[in-house]
Amino acid sequence: EDQVTQSPEALRLQEGESSSLNCSYTVSGLRGLFWYRQDPGKGPEFLFTLYSAGEEKEKERLKATLTKKESFLHITAPKPEDSATYLCAVSAGSNYQLIWGAGTKLIIKP
Amino acid sequence: ETGVTQSPTHLIKTRGQQVTLRCSSQSGHNTVSWYQQALGQGPQFIFQYYREEENGRGNFPPRFSGLQFPNYSSELNVNALELDDSALYLCASSSGGRDWNYEQYFGPGTRLTVT
Repeated sequence: EDQVTQSPEALRLQEGESSSLNCSYTVSGLRGLFWYRQDPGKGPEFLFTLYSAGEEKEKERLKATLTKKESFLHITAPKPEDSATYLCAVSAGSNYQLIWGAGTKLIIKP
Repeated sequence: ETGVTQSPTHLIKTRGQQVTLRCSSQSGHNTVSWYQQALGQGPQFIFQYYREEENGRGNFPPRFSGLQFPNYSSELNVNALELDDSALYLCASSSGGRDWNYEQYFGPGTRLTVT
């Protein structure tokens, strides 16, 4: 069964303390992996799409990387405004729907 | 460029009632997907519409139904509401049609509470 697992469930960091969030997946025929950011009570905001192992994308303090089994979202020198839930989703094989992880809640303390 | 909008923002209904949620897709997008998101969970796919036809459906019962209109706006209808239907309902639009490799852009959601 296709599955997406995110870890940790929650992560508390001090402002400026870099870290990484993990998204591991078990799917047949990865077509694309998506990262989203979600603020409380709002819809997810698109961040990145990764298509193949070895691919990397950056946006401000965020950098997403992809291997054959997992993706990492690296956050460098985070600020309190980076606090949010980060979701990953996978498109795979002939399945027409995205498979979503449960998210990592990131809290950045000033 | 106008983003994805949803209405209403919040809604309270009684068990057994029916509800209609509305979504206007982002300009230039022809595909709309609906999701249910419970607190602390990732979105769960309900169904997708591409050019007014249902393009895929998740594991939701038939009492969840939808429509897409010629202007690509969409409705989600839920009949015979149950307490477990309480959730944030998200609409997302994209320009990819049946290709799931295109990123989706989400609206702010409708918070449905069933009492």
